[in-house]
Amino acid sequence: AQTVTQSQPEMSVQEAETVTLSCTYDTSESDYYLFWYKQPPSRQMILVIRQEAYKQQNATENRFSVNFQKAAKSFSLKISDSQLGDAAMYFCAYRSPSREDMRFGAGTRLTVKP
Amino acid sequence: EAGVTQFPSHSVIEKGQTVTLRCDPISGHDNLYWYRRVMGKEIKFLLHFVKESKQDESGMPNNRFLAERTGGTYSTLKVQPAELEDSGVYFCASSRQDHYGYTFGSGTRLTVV
Repeated sequence: AQTVTQSQPEMSVQEAETVTLSCTYDTSESDYYLFWYKQPPSRQMILVIRQEAYKQQNATENRFSVNFQKAAKSFSLKISDSQLGDAAMYFCAYRSPSREDMRFGAGTRLTVKP
Repeated sequence: EAGVTQFPSHSVIEKGQTVTLRCDPISGHDNLYWYRRVMGKEIKFLLHFVKESKQDESGMPNNRFLAERTGGTYSTLKVQPAELEDSGVYFCASSRQDHYGYTFGSGTRLTVV
């Protein structure tokens, strides 16, 4: 079964600085989808960025980018020019193309210091 | 478009009581999912509806949990009787028939005391 590991329960970054959140996963599949979700306090979880495993190019969404290392089964999220509004729980998730459910990591709580 | 809406946002009940959580998906989203996060742990899949049919309920912990989706619209998740280990945040999500991830609701925080 696929598993997702986020080894950093908490991270902290200074406003305007860059932070990288780690995520590794375990799978025997060659094709799959990876996601980063963000959950601000008491608010809904929103999709930050998505990566298809067959694409070699790393996905980017404005200040958010990923470092997808397929061989290493690593999918880290880089947040550039961190803003106070980036403070949230961040969840890494894996989805098989043959299934509808997602496998999530335990989450990383990001604090942004002014 | 309106997002995924969950009711209530918080619920505190005593052990042995019954609680019903509700999820209103985005209109037109055939797929509806329930997930649960126990404090400090990963978010775990509970079940998946396609319209009104249960497609996969492999994540349901036991028969104290009952999910329904009337007419393929909103869904309810009933816990009866609630136990202490049922405490956590219950998320609902919905999606169209594609792989662009889900749209999640804000979750229901359930506390069983």
